[in-house]
Amino acid sequence: EAQVTQNPRYLITVTGKKLTVTCSQNMNHEYMSWYRQDPGLGLRQIYYSMNVEVTDKGDVPEGYKVSRKEKRNFPLILESPSPNQTSLYFCASSLLREGHQPQHFGDGTRLSIL
Amino acid sequence: AQKITQTQPGMFVQEKEAVTLDCTYDTSDQSYGLFWYKQPSSGEMIFLIYQGSYDEQNATEGRYSLNFQKARKSANLVISASQLGDSAMYFCAMREGHNSGYALNFGKGTSLLVTP
Repeated sequence: EAQVTQNPRYLITVTGKKLTVTCSQNMNHEYMSWYRQDPGLGLRQIYYSMNVEVTDKGDVPEGYKVSRKEKRNFPLILESPSPNQTSLYFCASSLLREGHQPQHFGDGTRLSIL
Repeated sequence: AQKITQTQPGMFVQEKEAVTLDCTYDTSDQSYGLFWYKQPSSGEMIFLIYQGSYDEQNATEGRYSLNFQKARKSANLVISASQLGDSAMYFCAMREGHNSGYALNFGKGTSLLVTP
């Protein structure tokens, strides 16, 4: 089954404790992206990647890191999480044919930073 | 500036009726894509329908259709024969080209409640 898999689905942790949210897709998509969703602010892009070893900042990259060592994986790293990073996070992927392919989303990761 | 505007924070519709969710967009690109996503209370984002800026026909996917009016920059979602399971948040989104990192720009969403 074609899918984007995020782990964990839920995480409660404390300020400053490094964490990684994994994302994997099995559709051979070139493009992968991370979004965060906050009440009143909607979904905003954090980072994106157009292919292996090619990553770039989205609208809200501060406090996050990503890497794209393999085509299928695009982990999101919070080196020193803070309470303002409490949010619902989505990983998404798509083909990059003329840029207008639908992005397929993972089921989301609810992150709470205390 | 807001690229996607959804003016209806909440909508009610009776089961089996049709409902239209409004979306207007703003872009200077000639080539772009318009999408609708559904987010049920469980939280996942489900892709519903896509319309390309050069597509002359309105997109349809089962009970979903997209009423695309390019000159008015609107891309309204029409759900026919509403079902209780259609109750969810609905997001309109636009994808432009390379200069924007191919990001999806989302509207604030419309909460749809289908009543028996």
